[in-house]
Amino acid sequence: AQKITQTQPGMFVQEKEAVTLDCTYDTSDPSYGLFWYKQPSSGEMIFLIYQGSYDQQNATEGRYSLNFQKARKSANLVISASQLGDSAMYFCAMSRPGYSSASKIIFGSGTRLSIRP
Amino acid sequence: SQTIHQWPATLVQPVGSPLSLECTVEGTSNPNLYWYRQAAGRGLQLLFYSVGIGQISSEVPQNLSASRPQDRQFILSSKKLLLSDSGFYLCAWSVLGLASGNTIYFGEGSWLTVV
Repeated sequence: AQKITQTQPGMFVQEKEAVTLDCTYDTSDPSYGLFWYKQPSSGEMIFLIYQGSYDQQNATEGRYSLNFQKARKSANLVISASQLGDSAMYFCAMSRPGYSSASKIIFGSGTRLSIRP
Repeated sequence: SQTIHQWPATLVQPVGSPLSLECTVEGTSNPNLYWYRQAAGRGLQLLFYSVGIGQISSEVPQNLSASRPQDRQFILSSKKLLLSDSGFYLCAWSVLGLASGNTIYFGEGSWLTVV
């Protein structure tokens, strides 16, 4: 069965420092996608970054990068030069094949990131 | 561009009362639609997903049901709410083939408190 694990329930980081949020996953499917979402206190879920299982290079989106280590089944999110607005809950997620050609996403339990000024 | 809306944003319902949360997507056709629930301080749990009108798959046994009467409309319902149904409910949509890089987009969410 597919599973996503985020072992850091909460983290405190000084503003402008880089931060790494851990994520490990378990799947027997050769094709899958890995996602990171940000959830501020307002509750909305904001898509940050995507990594495909066959992608050779790590995904990057602005200050976000995904450190994809396939053999270790890890997909850590790296935020460079953290900002106060980065304080939020962060979720790692994985897509898996589902009914017909649909896919579903399963989520980890999340990491609450707090940026100190 | 595509947009997704769900309502109501917040509601407080007594135990045993019915529930109806609605979600609509605009700007796309034949989307995959999803209902997730997030208990306080916890991760997201997939409740239902749909690949087409009238096609509903349930992920976990529960007190809730879902329906898709139109291509871009997804409804979450309950005949009798339980205290354990309290949480943050998120509707979401995606195009087919998530493994190709298409992501899942979420609505604004609905806060449900059962009292």
